[in-house]
Order: sequence, then structure tokens, then C-alpha cells
Amino acid sequence: AQSVTQPDIHITVSEGASLELRCNYSYGATPYLFWYVQSPGQGLQLLLKYFSGDTLVQGIKGFEAEFKRSQSSFNLRKPSVHWSDAAEYFCAVGRGNNDMRFGAGTRLTVKP
Amino acid sequence: DAGITQSPRHKVTETGTPVTLRCHQTENHRYMYWYRQDPGHGLRLIHYSYGVKDTDKGEVSDGYSVSRSKTEDFLLTLESATSSQTSVYFCAISESGRDTQYFGPGTRLTVL
Repeated sequence: AQSVTQPDIHITVSEGASLELRCNYSYGATPYLFWYVQSPGQGLQLLLKYFSGDTLVQGIKGFEAEFKRSQSSFNLRKPSVHWSDAAEYFCAVGRGNNDMRFGAGTRLTVKP
Repeated sequence: DAGITQSPRHKVTETGTPVTLRCHQTENHRYMYWYRQDPGHGLRLIHYSYGVKDTDKGEVSDGYSVSRSKTEDFLLTLESATSSQTSVYFCAISESGRDTQYFGPGTRLTVL
């Protein structure tokens, strides 16, 4: 079975602080990995993705993520959070052939 | 942003009534998906389509049916709505089954 775990339901950080959102998956092979962001009342927007190659991927809005095969993780990072980053973040794992599974999400609150 | 619209954006209906949600795309992507989003569950796949008249079930397909008579339109039907189908429904599109999915703005459905 394939599952995606985002251990943190809610994270609060101060504006300007660094951020790391965790994502772990269970799957036998190397999956396709995604991070999406959802602002209130909106659809999901792709932040970044990993298919193969360099395990450190850069995305939009200053986000990056690192694929660690040995830990089955794909954590999202940002060195300095802005108030506009407050949103819900979803990790997704795809095996291809339309088998995409999403984590339950992490809600980010940014303190001024 | 990918050209994806969903209609209606909000709907309130009563238990036992039929409901149809529409997803329309202008990107000519082959693959289209319907997800539901519920707190604590992230997004779960209901049905997907890999071409005109070609559809398949997802993780939570019971109580739902779909149709795709044109490349640009993908309909989700609840034949007899139940309160457990109260949710936010998202449509997504993809060029291939192994690629990034792009999401519509969502439809909030309330079944009383």
C-alpha cells in the first residue's frame, strides 16, 4: 500500500524565520513527488516536483525540497517565511498511471 | 494558470437528490480527475478519465459516476446525494498519467 504522512497538522512560525515541512511516504519504488500549496478558498498550486535527477529541487516562491531515499522523505523548506506564505501545504506522491496520493496537509500560520 | 473552471462553485442540496458537477478545461489535456477534499484526509481520488469515454474508478468511487463525452468536459454525478458526500470537490487535469496535475478552483457541496 502507498501512503503519505505529513506529521505536523499545524505549524506556526514567525515572519522571517526558516521553515521546514515534513513529508514521509511508504512505497517500494521511487515515486514522483510533489508539493502543493492551497490558500483559503482556492485550488491547489504546484510549488515544486521531483521526478528524477538532482535530489534538491527548487520551486516557486523561494521554496525548495530535498528527496532522501534512505529516509523516504521529501521535506519542504524555505529560509525566510513571509506573511503571504500562510496557507495549507500538501505533499503528494505519484506512482504514475493515475495513482496519486496526498498527505492530509500541514496548515502554516505566520506570526508578525 | 491552467484553464480549468468548475461549476457550480457552491451548491446546497437535499439528501436523495441527484447532483452533477462540471469541470471544463481549455488546455486539451488528455487526463482529467475528480477529487474530494475533507479535513484530515487531504485529497482523495474519486474517478479519472484518460480520454473521451474512457474512465476508471479511484480510491473513493462508491456513490459517484462520471462521464466524458468531449475532451474539455468531465462531469461528476451523485445519483442520490447523501450527507457523507458533503465536501469540497476538485477537478484536475494532466497531460499524461505520470505528470503534474493542475487543479481547478473547487466546488463546495453541502448535502442537508
